[in-house]
Amino acid sequence: GAGVSQSPSNKVTEKGKDVELRCDPISGHTALYWYRQSLGQGLEFLIYFQGNSAPDKSGLPSDRFSAERTGGSVSTLTIQRTQQEDSAVYLCASSFVGQQETQYFGPGTRLLVL
Amino acid sequence: EDQVTQSPEALRLQEGESSSLNCSYTVSGLRGLFWYRQDPGKGPEFLFTLYSAGEEKEKERLKATLTKKESFLHITAPKPEDSATYLCAVQRQGGSEKLVFGKGTKLTVNP
Repeated sequence: GAGVSQSPSNKVTEKGKDVELRCDPISGHTALYWYRQSLGQGLEFLIYFQGNSAPDKSGLPSDRFSAERTGGSVSTLTIQRTQQEDSAVYLCASSFVGQQETQYFGPGTRLLVL
Repeated sequence: EDQVTQSPEALRLQEGESSSLNCSYTVSGLRGLFWYRQDPGKGPEFLFTLYSAGEEKEKERLKATLTKKESFLHITAPKPEDSATYLCAVQRQGGSEKLVFGKGTKLTVNP
């Protein structure tokens, strides 16, 4: 079956511009997660959705970052007024909700802010 | 604060040379410990979940074990195609669903 898909695969933008990153979870998965992977760093949690609500958004680094999920499916991560330190790989994962459910990751969006 | 430390940062092996990767963790109540494999330019690929101390899981040349403080990923007679970065993550009991990751071990297996 289809896995988690993300678009675009790569994004180059100029400092100060806004960007939108998209995630399509595995069909039937009600939980969706965003992580960020910077060079030399581990994966860093950003936000978690259960259905369309976000019980945990504690990892969003600043108010320039926001995310939404509609129809319990597709999610969009928006970064406003991008900075060079936002350059990273943004990874999306999805899972069923419940005890001990595995998170399955997409291929990521590589963001470069010039 | 939950913490995951992986060692070594990088490991070079000859084909057939068995070894182990270490994942040390501190978490207030472990729900699960996860191992993923990540190839360059790709997202992490799920390998194993371990839930309680003493548990072991195997898949091909890989075997994961868990104690109350650490997990080991044993690689038996590795092949060049096992070259990848191996990531360890923990999930806390009663907390958010988020995973807390270590920085990974980059494994290179030379033919």
